Amino acid sequence: DTGVSQDPRHKITKRGQNVTFRCDPISEHNRLYWYRQTLGQGPEFLTYFQNEAQLEKSRLLSDRFSAERPKGSFSTLEIQRTEQGDSAMYLCASSSTSGRDEQFFGPGTRLTVL
Amino acid sequence: QKEVEQDPGPLSVPEGAIVSLNCTYSNSAFQYFMWYRQYSRKGPELLMYTYSSGNKEDGRFTAQVDKSSKYISLFIRDSQPSDSATYLCAMRLTGGGNKLTFGTGTQLKVEL
Repeated sequence: DTGVSQDPRHKITKRGQNVTFRCDPISEHNRLYWYRQTLGQGPEFLTYFQNEAQLEKSRLLSDRFSAERPKGSFSTLEIQRTEQGDSAMYLCASSSTSGRDEQFFGPGTRLTVL
Repeated sequence: QKEVEQDPGPLSVPEGAIVSLNCTYSNSAFQYFMWYRQYSRKGPELLMYTYSSGNKEDGRFTAQVDKSSKYISLFIRDSQPSDSATYLCAMRLTGGGNKLTFGTGTQLKVEL
C-alpha cells in the first residue's frame, strides 16, 4: 500500500512535554498538508508544503508548533510544551500538482495530553 | 458564523434508503468541492471531487453543486450498513493556497 502513512498512531504525553509526529506522503506527491481535528469537528488546516518550502501557515499554528519537510519527502510536526488543548487528531494529507491536486489523508496521529 | 455549515446529525436510515447529505457555504470564491467519508478513529477518505457547478456520479454516489445557492449535496443510493460513517464536505479556492475548509461532518447510520 503506497498511501499516506503517519507515525505514531497514538501518543499520550504529560502537559509540558514536547512531541513530534512524522508523515510520509504518497510517493512523488509534491504537496503535503497538516490538519488538526477535534471531536465532533471537521479537520482544520494548519500548514502546507510544496516540496520543501512551507507556503502557508494557519493562525492556529502557535509559536509552540513547528513543521518541517527537509528534503521534500517526509514531514515532521513538533509541538513544544504541550497543553491539554492540544489533544486532537493530527492528520497529514498529500497531493500532486501534476494531477487534480486531490488531497489524500493518512490515518492520523491521536494525541492525548494529560 | 462558519464558512461551511453542515448538519452534524446523527442521521439514521434503513438499509436501502436514499440518503441526502448537504452543506452550505458563505464564500462565493470556493471553486472545488469534495466529499470525504471518515470511519471512527480513521483518516478521511476521498469520495467525490467536483469543480464548479453541476453533477457528478460515481456508482451509488452522486454529488451536486449549486454555486448560485452556495449549496452542495451528496446522495447515496441503496444505502448499506457499511456506509455508516461521518461524511465531511470540503471546499477550496482556485489558487491562493490549497487549504481545504471542512464542514463539521454529518454522522450517518444505516440500520439493517
